[in-house]
Order: sequence, then C-alpha cells, then structure tokens
Amino acid sequence: DAKTTQPNSMESNEEEPVHLPCNHSTISGTDYIHWYRQLPSQGPEYVIHGLTSNVNNRMASLAIAEDRKSSTLILHRATLRDAAVYYCILRAVNTGNQFYFGTGTSLTVIP
Amino acid sequence: EAGVAQSPRYKIIEKRQSVAFWCNPISGHATLYWYQQILGQGPKLLIQFQNNGVVDDSQLPKDRFSAERLKGVDSTLKIQPAKLEDSAVYLCASTTGVGGGSPLHFGNGTRLTVT
Repeated sequence: DAKTTQPNSMESNEEEPVHLPCNHSTISGTDYIHWYRQLPSQGPEYVIHGLTSNVNNRMASLAIAEDRKSSTLILHRATLRDAAVYYCILRAVNTGNQFYFGTGTSLTVIP
Repeated sequence: EAGVAQSPRYKIIEKRQSVAFWCNPISGHATLYWYQQILGQGPKLLIQFQNNGVVDDSQLPKDRFSAERLKGVDSTLKIQPAKLEDSAVYLCASTTGVGGGSPLHFGNGTRLTVT
C-alpha cells in the first residue's frame, strides 16, 4: 500500500541544504504528494504538499518532477532540530483519501 | 487551535486483556484516522472515518480490533483480547475533509505495551 520509495537514511551537515528524494512511479493524476516528519516520541508533523507545481513554505520546498513520478523535499539549511524521519506519502483523492505511509528516511544532522 | 488529543499516553497490559484508546480530533475535522506504528516502521492505517461513517477498515484486524466514532467527533479504538504483537504506538489523526491538499494533524499517540 505504501506506493512510495525512499532511502532508509541520509546524513547532512548542519547549515547545509538537504535534498530528500522520493519515488512514486505509480502515481495517478489526482494523487497529491504529501511530506511529513516525525520526531522521537511524537506523532508525524505536516511539512508540505503539492500536486504538480513546485511549492515553498516556511519549513521547506517541494520539487516535483515533470512526469510526477518522483519528488524531492528540500530543507534549505539543516539544523539539529531537523533530525527526524521524513515520510513521503501519496494521498489518493479518488479512492477514499487514505494516507499510506512507507518506511521513510531517517535524517541525521551532523553538527 | 487545539491539536488532536489522545489518551492515555502510555498503557501496559497483559496478553488477553482488553484496552481502549480515546481520540478527540481538531474541532471541525470531518475525517479521522487511526494508525498503528510498530517500532522502526512507518504508521500503518487501521481505519478511516468520514464523520461517523467508516470509509476504510480494510487493514483493521476485526477479530480483535474495533473502533467507533459516535456523533462524528470523538473516537475510540479497542483491542480485545490483546496479543504481544499489538505492542505499538497508536496514532490518531484528523483532517478537514476530502480535499487532497488538506494536511493530516496527528496526536502524540498512545504507547501500548503488551506483556
């Protein structure tokens, strides 16, 4: 059910940009791409979402490939507080709006 | 706005006992989800409600798990009888509606340990 593929782990140096990739080759035309992150002992937290165009908000940027089969979450300057598990999820609007999580990418930020 | 509230925060029970978890979503959020998160894994969807109706319960082990959302607001998830493999964090989430861009808001979960 996951429908997305992400690397298990990534590392980044503090204050450097981080690019977290996600593959979703079976995405349908109406699926939204959502990103969440989860800090230890907390529930997942919304980061950003998009449909076709690239998106920016105060937390991050989302770059969506032209064919929509992949996307990249960009953290412009990683901080120690960004260390978390990042989940890329497809929200299937036409089949009930379920959110199916994969295993996510564990991001380590090195001081 | 107040976030998604869940209780209890922690629960320890013996196998074959029963347990219930409670969730109060954000006010006005029509859609409510229950997830099970086993240590080291991503959250697994158990059941989805739209108001007080079930949209998807295909992954809910119905022989032992049940959930309800009376009046379309609060929800309760019950396990009876519990097994060792039910040890996990149970997360409740809500969203405003059916629009694909509506984000999920999660509670901090209930950590269940079955001994």
